[in-house]
Amino acid sequence: DGGITQSPKYLFRKEGQNVTLSCEQNLNHDAMYWYRQDPGQGLRLIYYSQIVNDFQKGDIAEGYSVSREKKESFPLTVTSAQKNPTAFYLCASSIPPRGEQFFGPGTRLTVL
Amino acid sequence: DQQVKQNSPSLSVQEGRISILNCDYTNSMFDYFLWYKKYPAEGPTFLISISSIKDKNEDGRFTVFLNKSAKHLSLHIVPSQPGDSAVYFCAARDSWGGGADGLTFGKGTHLIIQP
Repeated sequence: DGGITQSPKYLFRKEGQNVTLSCEQNLNHDAMYWYRQDPGQGLRLIYYSQIVNDFQKGDIAEGYSVSREKKESFPLTVTSAQKNPTAFYLCASSIPPRGEQFFGPGTRLTVL
Repeated sequence: DQQVKQNSPSLSVQEGRISILNCDYTNSMFDYFLWYKKYPAEGPTFLISISSIKDKNEDGRFTVFLNKSAKHLSLHIVPSQPGDSAVYFCAARDSWGGGADGLTFGKGTHLIIQP
């Protein structure tokens, strides 16, 4: 079955620690994305990657970093510089120029 | 500055009736619009989309209407079913991105289908 997987589902970290969220897709999609959702808010774009070894900042990239070494994988690191890291993080992928993005199940990150 | 607005945080509709969810946008460069359905603690599921060159797209019980002059789109669900209860997000794509930029989302409308 093709799809997008994110692990873990729930993640707890102490304040000041970096944490990496995993995102893997086997849809053979070129483009991948990271969004953040806060309560009562829409999804906001953190980073996106149109192709391997290339990525661009989204609207709220500060305090985050990404890599795209393989087509299938787009991990997101939440650094200690991110002021409010507690949120629901969603990874997505697409086949440009089609606009539909397909989402993974999400990771709930809680920083204590 | 919100470029995609969903002004109704929630909407309650009786089962079997029509649900109409609305969305307004401000960016004239948006060329593709999408609706997603989301359950709590899950990723959004793509429902239906429409290109800016069309004014209507239909898929089963779901129809999306686009009024470019008013910068307004709406999602119609007919008939509404209990499983339709979820948060619905309107999203838009900027045409400059070549189709690979991220989407801009509204804040969502929580649709509640009453039995």
